[in-house]
Amino acid sequence: EPEVTQTPSHQVTQMGQEVILRCVPISNHLYFYWYRQILGQKVEFLVSFYNNEISEKSEIFDDQFSVERPDGSNFTLKIRSTKLEDSAMYFCASSGVLLRGTSYEQYFGPGTRLTVT
Amino acid sequence: RKEVEQDPGPFNVPEGATVAFNCTYSNSASQSFFWYRQDCRKEPKLLMSVYSSGNEDGRFTAQLNRASQYISLLIRDSKLSDSATYLCVSGGGADGLTFGKGTHLIIQP
Repeated sequence: EPEVTQTPSHQVTQMGQEVILRCVPISNHLYFYWYRQILGQKVEFLVSFYNNEISEKSEIFDDQFSVERPDGSNFTLKIRSTKLEDSAMYFCASSGVLLRGTSYEQYFGPGTRLTVT
Repeated sequence: RKEVEQDPGPFNVPEGATVAFNCTYSNSASQSFFWYRQDCRKEPKLLMSVYSSGNEDGRFTAQLNRASQYISLLIRDSKLSDSATYLCVSGGGADGLTFGKGTHLIIQP
């Protein structure tokens, strides 16, 4: 069964450093997403990406964040200058199956745990 | 502002019992609804989509009430492996998903 993969599984970085989180979405999917989950809190939407550009972004996704699809398979999230409050689990998701004309089921990768020290 | 509200629990339920969760959503324009399951420190896994007509998948039944803006999940004949956090979710497509905080279910032997 196809699945979303993410690397690394755990990233430790110092405050102010840049990090790049990587994802390989399911191959025939068209929509890609990043979410984050701070420990003990709910999953929060960051950004959606379709047709090689950002479709929507939340208020969390400020100028420190960027996304890219550098080739036909990878989808990356870059945080330019990490802050302590960026410590969270970051999930990539993809969808592409149009179901009954209205719903897009999203499938999540295993996540990257980012720890900023 | 889009919100999804759930009772955080925990729900402590004996094995074999039936358990039901509800959640409410604030965005009346939402078109798509889902239940996801999340195990501790793992990714959300899609359990089922929720249709206006309701849908059933084995021991799981989901219902949508658009007039009252609530969604329900019923689990019959609960198993120990059903212990998890159940996430009520709305949205999708370009807008991304809006998650509730989740309801924690503990199935006791």
